[in-house]
Amino acid sequence: GENVEQHPSTLSVQEGDSAVIKCTYSDSASNYFPWYKQELGKRPQLIIDIRSNVGEKKDQRIAVTLNKTAKHFSLHITETQPEDSAVYFCAASRPASKLTFGTGTRLQVTL
Amino acid sequence: DAGVIQSPRHEVTEMGQEVTLRCKPISGHNSLFWYRQTMMRGLELLIYFNNNVPIDDSGMPEDRFSAKMPNASFSTLKIQPSEPRDSAVYFCASSAPGEQYFGPGTRLTVL
Repeated sequence: GENVEQHPSTLSVQEGDSAVIKCTYSDSASNYFPWYKQELGKRPQLIIDIRSNVGEKKDQRIAVTLNKTAKHFSLHITETQPEDSAVYFCAASRPASKLTFGTGTRLQVTL
Repeated sequence: DAGVIQSPRHEVTEMGQEVTLRCKPISGHNSLFWYRQTMMRGLELLIYFNNNVPIDDSGMPEDRFSAKMPNASFSTLKIQPSEPRDSAVYFCASSAPGEQYFGPGTRLTVL
């Protein structure tokens, strides 16, 4: 089955700096890669996703990149703000199948 | 759309009691997922359904757990008998092919 590894497990950045979270996956048939943000006591919320026919996708301050050959994908947050502090999960799935989640990255944005 | 609806939002029960968690997926979504989240084990997929049919229940911890989806708009997760180690937040999520959305979760405490 699919295996998703996520690094780092914790990340602390100063407000205004960039943050990068990286994930690798094992199943070459996976074609869908979402990212979720979970604030304390809340549900995971989908913030951005990318499909395997695209190498990069951007939405304001967040962007995802995908390298199918190397089987890794990354989340980039620019100009970080305190409200970006949360746990971020990457995930991967084959078509019409379940998501396999990474173990999460706790991002702390300090003033 | 109201999103994924779960009830109850909080449940406190005593060891040995039966617990039933409920979920209403987003209308039109054909896949439904039950997850459990704890600090120790992170986010675990328990079971998922496609078109009301259970596809993968390999994450169900033991026979005390059961899940049903009698129709496209309703699912239950039952724990009988409950134990203190079942204390967790239980999330239901639904998806059409692709984007998966989580409900607000049920925080279960078993005393």
